[in-house]
Amino acid sequence: DSGVTQTPKHLITATGQRVTLRCSPRSGDLSVYWYQQSLDQGLQFLIQYYNGEERAKGNILERFSAQQFPDLHSELNLSSLELGDSALYFCASSVLPGARSSSSYNEQFFGPGTRLTVL
Amino acid sequence: KNEVEQSPQNLTAQEGEFITINCSYSVGISALHWLQQHPGGGIVSLFMLSSGKKKHGRLIATINIQEKHSSLHITASHPRDSAVYICAVIGNQFYFGTGTSLTVIP
Repeated sequence: DSGVTQTPKHLITATGQRVTLRCSPRSGDLSVYWYQQSLDQGLQFLIQYYNGEERAKGNILERFSAQQFPDLHSELNLSSLELGDSALYFCASSVLPGARSSSSYNEQFFGPGTRLTVL
Repeated sequence: KNEVEQSPQNLTAQEGEFITINCSYSVGISALHWLQQHPGGGIVSLFMLSSGKKKHGRLIATINIQEKHSSLHITASHPRDSAVYICAVIGNQFYFGTGTSLTVIP
Protein backbone atom coordinates (compact mmCIF):
# COMPACT_ATOMS: atom_id res chain seq x y z
CA ASP A 1 0.00 0.00 0.00
CA SER A 2 1.60 3.23 -1.21
CA GLY A 3 -0.49 5.49 0.99
CA VAL A 4 -2.00 7.22 -2.05
CA THR A 5 -5.75 6.70 -2.40
CA GLN A 6 -7.89 7.15 -5.47
CA THR A 7 -11.65 7.07 -5.83
CA PRO A 8 -13.61 5.65 -7.45
CA LYS A 9 -11.91 2.41 -8.41
CA HIS A 10 -14.10 1.91 -11.45
CA LEU A 11 -16.27 4.31 -13.38
CA ILE A 12 -18.54 3.54 -16.31
CA THR A 13 -20.17 6.40 -18.12
CA ALA A 14 -21.44 7.48 -21.52
CA THR A 15 -19.97 9.67 -24.22
CA GLY A 16 -20.54 13.36 -23.65
CA GLN A 17 -20.67 13.03 -19.88
CA ARG A 18 -18.45 14.63 -17.25
CA VAL A 19 -16.68 12.80 -14.41
CA THR A 20 -14.44 13.71 -11.48
CA LEU A 21 -11.62 11.51 -10.25
CA ARG A 22 -10.25 12.07 -6.79
CA CYS A 23 -6.79 11.53 -5.34
CA SER A 24 -5.50 11.83 -1.79
CA PRO A 25 -1.70 11.95 -1.57
CA ARG A 26 0.46 10.29 1.07
CA SER A 27 0.56 12.16 4.34
CA GLY A 28 3.20 14.88 4.05
CA ASP A 29 3.44 14.82 0.26
CA LEU A 30 2.88 18.20 -1.35
CA SER A 31 3.06 17.19 -4.99
CA VAL A 32 0.39 15.34 -6.96
CA TYR A 33 0.74 13.99 -10.49
CA TRP A 34 -1.93 12.68 -12.85
CA TYR A 35 -1.23 10.08 -15.52
CA GLN A 36 -3.35 8.37 -18.14
CA GLN A 37 -2.65 4.81 -19.27
CA SER A 38 -4.49 3.62 -22.33
CA LEU A 39 -3.91 0.39 -24.23
CA ASP A 40 -2.58 2.07 -27.36
CA GLN A 41 -0.63 4.96 -25.82
CA GLY A 42 0.91 3.55 -22.66
CA LEU A 43 1.49 5.83 -19.69
CA GLN A 44 1.26 9.55 -20.36
CA PHE A 45 1.84 12.44 -18.00
CA LEU A 46 -1.13 14.78 -17.76
CA ILE A 47 -0.46 17.41 -15.11
CA GLN A 48 1.27 18.08 -11.80
CA TYR A 49 0.39 20.25 -8.83
CA TYR A 50 2.63 21.29 -6.00
CA ASN A 51 1.13 22.75 -2.84
CA GLY A 52 -1.96 23.93 -4.67
CA GLU A 53 -0.24 25.42 -7.72
CA GLU A 54 0.06 23.94 -11.18
CA ARG A 55 3.70 22.91 -11.61
CA ALA A 56 4.01 21.09 -14.91
CA LYS A 57 1.72 20.26 -17.78
CA GLY A 58 1.96 17.34 -20.15
CA ASN A 59 -0.39 15.94 -22.75
CA ILE A 60 -3.58 17.07 -21.08
CA LEU A 61 -6.54 17.75 -23.34
CA GLU A 62 -8.47 21.01 -23.06
CA ARG A 63 -11.55 18.97 -22.04
CA PHE A 64 -9.64 17.86 -18.94
CA SER A 65 -8.83 20.03 -15.94
CA ALA A 66 -7.43 19.46 -12.49
CA GLN A 67 -6.92 21.23 -9.22
CA GLN A 68 -5.28 20.66 -5.87
CA PHE A 69 -7.15 21.81 -2.80
CA PRO A 70 -5.82 23.34 0.44
CA ASP A 71 -5.95 19.93 2.14
CA LEU A 72 -3.70 18.73 -0.76
CA HIS A 73 -6.16 16.29 -2.27
CA SER A 74 -6.57 16.64 -6.01
CA GLU A 75 -9.35 16.18 -8.50
CA LEU A 76 -9.14 15.48 -12.21
CA ASN A 77 -12.20 16.56 -14.15
CA LEU A 78 -12.89 14.99 -17.53
CA SER A 79 -15.67 16.48 -19.63
CA SER A 80 -17.34 15.84 -23.00
CA LEU A 81 -16.08 12.30 -22.70
CA GLU A 82 -15.19 10.34 -25.80
CA LEU A 83 -14.68 6.62 -26.30
CA GLY A 84 -10.93 7.22 -26.54
CA ASP A 85 -10.84 8.58 -23.00
CA SER A 86 -11.37 5.07 -21.67
CA ALA A 87 -8.20 4.34 -19.73
CA LEU A 88 -6.64 3.81 -16.34
CA TYR A 89 -6.01 7.11 -14.59
CA PHE A 90 -3.25 7.08 -12.00
CA CYS A 91 -2.41 9.63 -9.42
CA ALA A 92 1.01 9.74 -7.75
CA SER A 93 2.47 11.90 -5.01
CA SER A 94 5.87 12.98 -3.81
CA VAL A 95 7.20 15.23 -1.10
CA LEU A 96 8.88 17.74 -3.40
CA PRO A 97 8.04 19.13 -6.85
CA GLY A 98 9.80 16.45 -8.84
CA ALA A 99 10.96 17.86 -12.14
CA ARG A 100 14.41 19.45 -12.39
CA SER A 101 15.58 17.85 -9.18
CA SER A 102 17.14 14.51 -8.35
CA SER A 103 16.37 14.59 -4.64
CA SER A 104 15.02 11.32 -3.25
CA TYR A 105 12.12 13.37 -1.92
CA ASN A 106 10.93 13.48 -5.51
CA GLU A 107 10.32 9.74 -5.64
CA GLN A 108 6.74 9.18 -6.72
CA PHE A 109 4.29 6.84 -5.03
CA PHE A 110 1.39 5.68 -7.15
CA GLY A 111 -2.25 5.20 -6.24
CA PRO A 112 -4.18 2.10 -7.33
CA GLY A 113 -5.75 3.89 -10.28
CA THR A 114 -9.28 4.61 -11.48
CA ARG A 115 -10.46 2.58 -14.45
CA LEU A 116 -12.70 4.73 -16.63
CA THR A 117 -14.86 3.11 -19.27
CA VAL A 118 -16.72 5.37 -21.68
CA LEU A 119 -19.53 3.63 -23.57
CA LYS B 1 9.22 10.45 -31.73
CA ASN B 2 9.70 8.50 -28.50
CA GLU B 3 11.76 10.26 -25.87
CA VAL B 4 12.23 6.95 -24.03
CA GLU B 5 12.94 3.61 -25.68
CA GLN B 6 12.93 0.33 -23.84
CA SER B 7 14.16 -3.07 -24.90
CA PRO B 8 13.18 -5.77 -25.12
CA GLN B 9 9.40 -5.29 -25.41
CA ASN B 10 8.74 -8.83 -24.24
CA LEU B 11 10.94 -11.20 -22.31
CA THR B 12 10.42 -14.78 -21.18
CA ALA B 13 12.91 -16.32 -18.78
CA GLN B 14 13.36 -19.50 -16.80
CA GLU B 15 13.28 -19.19 -13.04
CA GLY B 16 16.76 -18.41 -11.75
CA GLU B 17 17.97 -16.59 -14.86
CA PHE B 18 19.68 -13.20 -14.79
CA ILE B 19 17.56 -10.60 -16.57
CA THR B 20 18.47 -7.24 -18.06
CA ILE B 21 16.04 -4.59 -19.30
CA ASN B 22 17.41 -1.56 -21.08
CA CYS B 23 16.22 2.03 -21.31
CA SER B 24 17.59 4.76 -23.58
CA TYR B 25 16.36 8.33 -23.56
CA SER B 26 16.90 11.38 -25.70
CA VAL B 27 16.02 14.28 -23.40
CA GLY B 28 17.96 15.96 -20.63
CA ILE B 29 16.90 14.52 -17.30
CA SER B 30 17.35 15.10 -13.60
CA ALA B 31 16.38 11.57 -12.60
CA LEU B 32 15.03 8.28 -13.88
CA HIS B 33 12.43 5.97 -12.37
CA TRP B 34 12.06 2.24 -12.81
CA LEU B 35 8.46 1.20 -12.21
CA GLN B 36 6.85 -2.21 -11.90
CA GLN B 37 3.26 -2.79 -12.97
CA HIS B 38 1.59 -6.04 -11.99
CA PRO B 39 -1.21 -7.71 -13.98
CA GLY B 40 -3.76 -6.18 -11.61
CA GLY B 41 -2.63 -2.75 -12.80
CA GLY B 42 -0.99 -1.33 -9.67
CA ILE B 43 2.27 0.57 -10.16
CA VAL B 44 5.17 0.39 -7.75
CA SER B 45 8.27 2.56 -7.90
CA LEU B 46 11.33 0.31 -7.75
CA PHE B 47 14.11 2.87 -8.04
CA MET B 48 14.69 6.53 -8.60
CA LEU B 49 18.26 7.31 -9.62
CA SER B 50 20.25 10.14 -11.12
CA SER B 51 23.73 8.60 -11.21
CA GLY B 52 25.60 5.38 -10.62
CA LYS B 53 23.91 2.31 -9.29
CA LYS B 54 21.27 1.29 -6.75
CA LYS B 55 20.53 -2.16 -5.36
CA HIS B 56 17.47 -3.46 -3.56
CA GLY B 57 17.36 -7.17 -2.88
CA ARG B 58 17.67 -8.99 -6.20
CA LEU B 59 17.14 -5.82 -8.22
CA ILE B 60 19.94 -3.58 -9.46
CA ALA B 61 19.53 -0.38 -11.45
CA THR B 62 22.31 1.51 -13.18
CA ILE B 63 22.39 4.74 -15.10
CA ASN B 64 24.95 6.35 -17.39
CA ILE B 65 24.01 9.99 -17.80
CA GLN B 66 26.61 10.65 -20.53
CA GLU B 67 25.30 7.78 -22.65
CA LYS B 68 21.66 8.47 -21.73
CA HIS B 69 21.11 4.86 -20.82
CA SER B 70 19.86 2.88 -17.86
CA SER B 71 19.57 -0.82 -17.14
CA LEU B 72 17.47 -2.79 -14.70
CA HIS B 73 18.87 -6.15 -13.69
CA ILE B 74 17.06 -8.93 -11.86
CA THR B 75 19.25 -11.64 -10.38
CA ALA B 76 17.91 -15.14 -9.67
CA SER B 77 14.56 -14.33 -11.32
CA HIS B 78 11.39 -15.76 -9.81
CA PRO B 79 7.86 -16.20 -11.18
CA ARG B 80 6.66 -13.43 -8.86
CA ASP B 81 8.90 -11.04 -10.84
CA SER B 82 6.50 -11.46 -13.78
CA ALA B 83 5.22 -7.97 -14.49
CA VAL B 84 5.63 -5.02 -16.83
CA TYR B 85 8.69 -2.91 -16.10
CA ILE B 86 8.49 0.73 -17.15
CA CYS B 87 11.28 3.26 -17.44
CA ALA B 88 10.27 6.87 -16.76
CA VAL B 89 12.50 9.91 -17.05
CA ILE B 90 12.13 13.21 -15.25
CA GLY B 91 13.12 16.19 -17.30
CA ASN B 92 11.05 19.31 -17.81
CA GLN B 93 8.16 16.92 -17.71
CA PHE B 94 7.75 13.19 -17.39
CA TYR B 95 8.27 10.69 -20.20
CA PHE B 96 7.59 6.97 -20.13
CA GLY B 97 8.86 4.00 -22.06
CA THR B 98 6.33 1.57 -23.46
CA GLY B 99 7.33 -1.07 -20.94
CA THR B 100 8.93 -4.50 -20.97
CA SER B 101 6.63 -7.40 -20.27
CA LEU B 102 8.52 -10.03 -18.30
CA THR B 103 7.31 -13.59 -17.77
CA VAL B 104 9.35 -15.88 -15.54
CA ILE B 105 8.53 -19.56 -15.97
CA PRO B 106 8.99 -21.96 -13.05
